[in-house]
Amino acid sequence: GAGVSQTPSNKVTEKGKYVELRCDPISGHTALYWYRQSLGQGPEFLIYFQGTGAADDSGLPNDRFFAVRPEGSVSTLKIQRTERGDSAVYLCASSKLAGTDTQYFGPGTRLTVL
Amino acid sequence: AQSVTQPDIHITVSEGASLELRCNYSYGATPYLFWYVQSPGQGLQLLLKYFSGDTLVQGIKGFEAEFKRSQSSFNLRKPSVHWSDAAEYFCAVPMEYGNKLVFGAGTILRVKS
Repeated sequence: GAGVSQTPSNKVTEKGKYVELRCDPISGHTALYWYRQSLGQGPEFLIYFQGTGAADDSGLPNDRFFAVRPEGSVSTLKIQRTERGDSAVYLCASSKLAGTDTQYFGPGTRLTVL
Repeated sequence: AQSVTQPDIHITVSEGASLELRCNYSYGATPYLFWYVQSPGQGLQLLLKYFSGDTLVQGIKGFEAEFKRSQSSFNLRKPSVHWSDAAEYFCAVPMEYGNKLVFGAGTILRVKS
């Protein structure tokens, strides 16, 4: 079946602009995760959804970052007033259940803030 | 707190040679452990995972990993590397009931012919 998809694959924006990154998880997966991967580093956790609710948003770096999953499927990561330091690859993952169930990752969105 | 260390940033091996990528973890209880591979421009693909039971875990693409509690290690191995194995490899451990993964910094594998 289809895997996790993310759009756009690349996003270039200017400092101070607003961006939205979309994640479409594997059908039937209840848990959805966002990670951020900076150059030369491993992915870092941002936020985790169980169904429609954000069960853990402890990884969001500040209040410019926000994510939603209104119908328990597609999720959108929103970044306000982008800064150059936000440039990274944003990865989305989903798993059938929460907990230690295997997380399946999408290809990521490469965000570049000029 | 849980953490993962991958001591080798880069490794170069010859095609056909054996491979071992190191991973050390810090975890309060018996850990769940994962190895993922990331090819350029690709997302992370799960190679294998350890939950419990047999400490030698077989994965996809001919990879295996061995969990050694006494050494807090979960090293990834392959007996004969192929050029297509060139990629970046990440070891990961779940944090707090497994709801988020903590990744190592990754090891970039280069395969020379």
